[in-house]
Amino acid sequence: QSALTQPRSVSGSPEQSVTISCTGTISNVGDWDYVSWYQQKPGKAPKVIIYDVSKRPSGVPDRFSGSKSGNTASLTISGLQAEDEADYFCCSYGGSYTFVFGTGTKVTVL
Amino acid sequence: EVQLVESGGGLQQAGGSLRLSCEASGFTFSNLGMSWVRQAPGKGLEWVSSISGDGRSTDHADSVKGRFTISRDNSRNTVYLQMNSLRAEDTAVYYCAKAGLYDVNGYFSWLFDSWGQGALVTVSS
Repeated sequence: QSALTQPRSVSGSPEQSVTISCTGTISNVGDWDYVSWYQQKPGKAPKVIIYDVSKRPSGVPDRFSGSKSGNTASLTISGLQAEDEADYFCCSYGGSYTFVFGTGTKVTVL
Repeated sequence: EVQLVESGGGLQQAGGSLRLSCEASGFTFSNLGMSWVRQAPGKGLEWVSSISGDGRSTDHADSVKGRFTISRDNSRNTVYLQMNSLRAEDTAVYYCAKAGLYDVNGYFSWLFDSWGQGALVTVSS
């Protein structure tokens, strides 16, 4: 049950695109198309922004997109906005009601 | 609207016990699994435990296996986390989360689509 690997931080200027990787194993990311991404702002509960690798819940801006290749999932924020500054966590289902989260990435808008 | 309200957090000495509760509303509680996710101060999210809608299936992270037990009472729309043999490293905000979502076509997805506000558990050594 080792955490999925994410970069500690990424940054970009407004309107730029940034991509966050999330690397797991054949037992989690590589085996299931149930990768989700969560945005967390200070003092708040996480909020899902992507699920099933690439689906967006209602109300999430379309500048957020997700993809997966092999054991690595990715979240891309296209057209970075100031309000996107937050911590982002990936999560993969691992079978039998188990889950594993990523190590988390701090996104800074320059 | 889905609402999840945790209670039961607080300060406990190492070796002690605490029970967290999470009361749910806004959805058919018995149809869906529930989970606990924790976040130590300044750290990332860690999945702790999950339970199926009927309560028959459960699993726990290795870090808490044998010490924590998840359960649910569908008549009270409440999920519990019994935490025994607490350690300093269990200090965290504990979130209750709804585990799974059916879309309008009945397709099921595994995700945490609703979260509680969090309950702070502090374990002193």
